[in-house]
Amino acid sequence: SYVLTQPPSVSVAPGKTARITCGGNNIGSKSVHWYQQKPGQAPVLVIYYDSDRPSGIPERFSGSNSGNTATLTISRVEAGDEADYYCQVWDSSSDGVFGGGTKLTVL
Amino acid sequence: EVQLVQSGAEVKKPGESLKISCKGSGYSFTSYWIGWVRQMPGKGLEWMGIIYPGDSDTRYSPSFQGQVTISADKSISTAYLQWSSLKASDTAMYYCARHFRGYGSGYYYYYMDVWGKGTTVTVSS
Repeated sequence: SYVLTQPPSVSVAPGKTARITCGGNNIGSKSVHWYQQKPGQAPVLVIYYDSDRPSGIPERFSGSNSGNTATLTISRVEAGDEADYYCQVWDSSSDGVFGGGTKLTVL
Repeated sequence: EVQLVQSGAEVKKPGESLKISCKGSGYSFTSYWIGWVRQMPGKGLEWMGIIYPGDSDTRYSPSFQGQVTISADKSISTAYLQWSSLKASDTAMYYCARHFRGYGSGYYYYYMDVWGKGTTVTVSS
């Protein structure tokens, strides 16, 4: 089965840039999607198809995908961005696959 | 407004059966795949499976195949997740999510663009 690897935690100061990685074998050949989940809430899609943003998601959220690593970048981080972030791909043998999640802490 | 409304919290005993629901509105229910995601207490998201209400085509994660049944009633725009015999390890939050299907360079991909608020299932003797 296909495995996605995320760092358990990332910390960043307000106003700085946070980068959350998602590693997978040749993940650059797949489409990567990202979800934000705040405590006690359902996940929300923040990036789809590697780098597209759904309507209502701030431009501060961006994504990239190449080689064995996809990255979610959050610019000018705000306190309200503190959440768990999950990457997700669709694999021909496993279907839906999520990464283990990364807890973003705003210092 | 597109939304998915899930049924309420459940408390069950081991060995009991359960069926939880997810009602879609604001879009063509038969035109999108809809699926289920498990989140055990304090843990990450796990994709369980999906169904296409238009023709009831169903796909399961290998981890959940045979453990749960996903179904849908398109006449009432509702998807279901059911267990025939619950275990304590089924205690979790269960989310339904609409799956958008896109086509990349020679492959299909799916992402979850609309989520329900979740149904808490507690299994305890």
